[in-house]
Amino acid sequence: DAKTTQPPSMDCAEGRAANLPCNHSTISGNEYVYWYRQIHSQGPQYIIHGLKNNETNEMASLIITEDRKSSTLILPHATLRDTAVYYCIVRVTLLNTGNQFYFGTGTSLTVIP
Amino acid sequence: DGGITQSPKYLFRKEGQNVTLSCEQNLNHDAMYWYRQDPGQGLRLIYYSQIVNDFQKGDIAEGYSVSREKKESFPLTVTSAQKNPTAFYLCASRVGKNPLGTDNSNQPQHFGDGTRLSIL
Repeated sequence: DAKTTQPPSMDCAEGRAANLPCNHSTISGNEYVYWYRQIHSQGPQYIIHGLKNNETNEMASLIITEDRKSSTLILPHATLRDTAVYYCIVRVTLLNTGNQFYFGTGTSLTVIP
Repeated sequence: DGGITQSPKYLFRKEGQNVTLSCEQNLNHDAMYWYRQDPGQGLRLIYYSQIVNDFQKGDIAEGYSVSREKKESFPLTVTSAQKNPTAFYLCASRVGKNPLGTDNSNQPQHFGDGTRLSIL
């Protein structure tokens, strides 16, 4: 159970904003949303995470809806190096065994020159 | 530089052999994780460890074993019981509780660059 749903693929023109959606309709109150990206044959790279407030860092912005059932990762000015698979992940805390992170199949973003 | 090191980058296994994948971190992280990734798919959790000398099964632990004798090391053994071991294996770590006991569980995982295991 991946707990998140993402479109399998998206294209974005270089220099434009890339908006990557994620649905997490079963998220509960203490579960954070994380975004990672993975370039082929490398380990996933952490981008950003949030609970209920919008977040921004040097890589991206994360917009979480008020009901927390969906979120959007925004890359403000996409470059060719942003071409990767982007994963939206929910962290689940299990009472006795700690935290588990559920990865889905992600969105393959292609930035087009 | 602090980080997570996985070795080797490529590994080949003969039928019936056990092989061990190395994962070392110098980030002083308490928690460590092993994932498996198959082509075109997301990551699936094999085992994780929240603290030294303790570990828990993930979603696909059958055919795998781990140990956590040192904080910085979390080796994964792929046993002969794992019938479909060909995959990309990823190790991750995350900061755990700080010395004052405050929960840092919202902190993200950091990943190594993976080991690709193939069957000869």
